[in-house]
Amino acid sequence: KNQVEQSPQSLIILEGKNCTLQCNYTVSPFSNLRWYKQDTGRGPVSLTIMTFSENTKSNGRYTATLDADTKQSSLHITASQLSDSASYICVVSVSHAGNNRKLIWGLGTSLAVNP
Amino acid sequence: SQTIHQWPATLVQPVGSPLSLECTVEGTSNPNLYWYRQAAGRGLQLLFYSVGIGQISSEVPQNLSASRPQDRQFILSSKKLLLSDSGFYLCAWSATGQGFPYGYTFGSGTRLTVV
Repeated sequence: KNQVEQSPQSLIILEGKNCTLQCNYTVSPFSNLRWYKQDTGRGPVSLTIMTFSENTKSNGRYTATLDADTKQSSLHITASQLSDSASYICVVSVSHAGNNRKLIWGLGTSLAVNP
Repeated sequence: SQTIHQWPATLVQPVGSPLSLECTVEGTSNPNLYWYRQAAGRGLQLLFYSVGIGQISSEVPQNLSASRPQDRQFILSSKKLLLSDSGFYLCAWSATGQGFPYGYTFGSGTRLTVV
């Protein structure tokens, strides 16, 4: 069964600190993995998209890693800011002919950055 | 640039009433369009997707329906709402022919509460 599991479920950190969010998946055949940031009451916004051959990808203070062998990904946030408070969702795409519609969504990690 | 509009932002409807949520995309042609639902404490669930006018695919059996009367317009409807239809509804689009890892932009969402 295709599944995406994220940990921790929620996290509280102080402003300026770093944190790492985890994503484990059992999806086959794997196509790509995405991290989204979702502010409360808003639609998700893409942070990174990683294909099978990519190990690391950065987007500003966000760095995602992918280990396709162990089927694990992490999202590292450096020097956190109050605006980083949001839900971070890991999404894995199942290789599907056509229009890339088969996405397996994790439940997300709720991050709170406190001053 | 492409933009996606979704409305209304919030909606409170009584059980048994009809529903119509609208989503439009600007700045692109022949997009793939999607309706997602995000229930409290659960991941995003794909409800419908469309690859063209009048072409609707349903992912899960439910009380809802979707229509695409125009190229860049996607409508989510129900004849009689159930309490279980409450949730956060998101419209998304991706570019036709662009598979991985492009596209997939979300609207701002509609918070539906059925009372």
